[in-house]
Amino acid sequence: EDKVVQSPLSLVVHEGDTVTLNCSYEVTNFRSLLWYKQEKKAPTFLFMLTSSGIEKKSGRLSSILDKKELFSILNITATQTGDSAVYLCAARRYSGSARQLTFGSGTQLTVLP
Amino acid sequence: KAGVTQTPRYLIKTRGQQVTLSCSPISGHRSVSWYQQTPGQGLQFLFEYFSETQRNKGNFPGRFSGRQFSNSRSEMNVSTLELGDSALYLCASSFEAGGQETQYFGPGTRLLVL
Repeated sequence: EDKVVQSPLSLVVHEGDTVTLNCSYEVTNFRSLLWYKQEKKAPTFLFMLTSSGIEKKSGRLSSILDKKELFSILNITATQTGDSAVYLCAARRYSGSARQLTFGSGTQLTVLP
Repeated sequence: KAGVTQTPRYLIKTRGQQVTLSCSPISGHRSVSWYQQTPGQGLQFLFEYFSETQRNKGNFPGRFSGRQFSNSRSEMNVSTLELGDSALYLCASSFEAGGQETQYFGPGTRLLVL
């Protein structure tokens, strides 16, 4: 059974801090890893990673994938209160034409002013 | 481009009833996936449709079914509702090009089963 584990479950930091969120996965026929941000609504897509060692960046957010050690990290630098959200990672596998996305339980990030 | 739309946004049903939820993907997106989100179980994959064909199904009972129409709009049906079906049902449309995928979620339908 596919499994995605995120850590920590929750994190409280102050504005300006840098945070690192972790996501490990055990997925058969792994294809890609996706990161999402969820506030009090539907998840918002952040990144999709398919190759090891290639960092993806978007403003203060960056993410990298390690396919040998089966994990990914999401970094947020110079955090702001607007970064407070649940961050979800999901691993996608392919089996023939069938695809499935397995989500982790999320990391609740709270950024205090 | 308009985003993913879901209707209705909120729904209250009683046990034993059935419900149909609708999802319209972003124009040009042919893949639609459905998820159930609950506080206890998190986000769980229900099924994915692509060009009117179900590509994959998650680990849910047969009471959960879906379909996709030729215009890529999708519906999800839950029959014989149980209290445990109360959840936020999210649909997402996705587009792949050059090996890169982007997936966008709709606002969800919040279902309460009494």
